[in-house]
Amino acid sequence: ELKVEQNPLFLSMQEGKNYTIYCNYSTTSDRLYWYRQDPGKSLESLFVLLSNGAVKQEGRLMASLDTKARLSTLHITAAVHDLSATYFCAVPKIIFGKGTRLHILP
Amino acid sequence: ETGVTQTPRHLVMGMTNKKSLKCEQHLGHNAMYWYKQSAKKPLELMFVYSLEERVENNSVPSRFSPECPNSSHLFLHLHTLQPEDSALYLCASSLLTEWGNTIYFGEGSWLTVV
Repeated sequence: ELKVEQNPLFLSMQEGKNYTIYCNYSTTSDRLYWYRQDPGKSLESLFVLLSNGAVKQEGRLMASLDTKARLSTLHITAAVHDLSATYFCAVPKIIFGKGTRLHILP
Repeated sequence: ETGVTQTPRHLVMGMTNKKSLKCEQHLGHNAMYWYKQSAKKPLELMFVYSLEERVENNSVPSRFSPECPNSSHLFLHLHTLQPEDSALYLCASSLLTEWGNTIYFGEGSWLTVV
C-alpha cells in the first residue's frame, strides 16, 4: 500500500524562526508535489519536484527531493504569519500525506 | 481563481435524497479527479478520469457515482448517503505529460448529510 507520511502534523512556531517539514513516501517515485491549503479554501500548488536532488525555492519556502531516501523536505526560513496554513505533500498517483498544519506566532 | 469551478459550494441533503456535484475546467486539461477531505482523514483520492475514461476507483461505495461526459466536465452523483459522508469534496484537473502532472483544485463543495 502506498503511504505518504508527513511530520510534524502540527507545528506552532515563532515569526523569524526556521523550520523543516518532512515528507516520507513508501514507493519509488521520481516526482513529488507540495500544496498549501488555507482554512476553508482549496489547495494551491506550491512546488513540483521532478527528479532526485531537485530543489525549488519560492520566497521563504524551499523544497527538496531525495528519491533514494524517498524523502522530501519543505524548509521555512524566517517564518512570517502569512505562511500559516496546512501544507500537503503528494506523490503520483497524487496520494496525499495527512498535511502539516503550520501556525506562525507573532 | 484556478480555472476549476465547482457547484454547488455548499449542499445539505437528507439520507434519502439524490443530488449531484458538478465540476468544470477550462484549462485544456486531460485528467479530472474527485477527492474527499474530512476532519478525520487526509485527502482521499476517490476517482480519476483520464481522457474521459475512469482509470481509478479507490474502493468508493456505490452510493457515489462519477460521470465524465467530456474532458471539461465531471459530476459526482450522490444517493442514499450516510452522515459520515459529510465532508469537503474537491474536484481537480491536470494535464498529464511526461514532465509532470500538477493538479489544480477547485474551491470544493461542502456536503452535509442529515
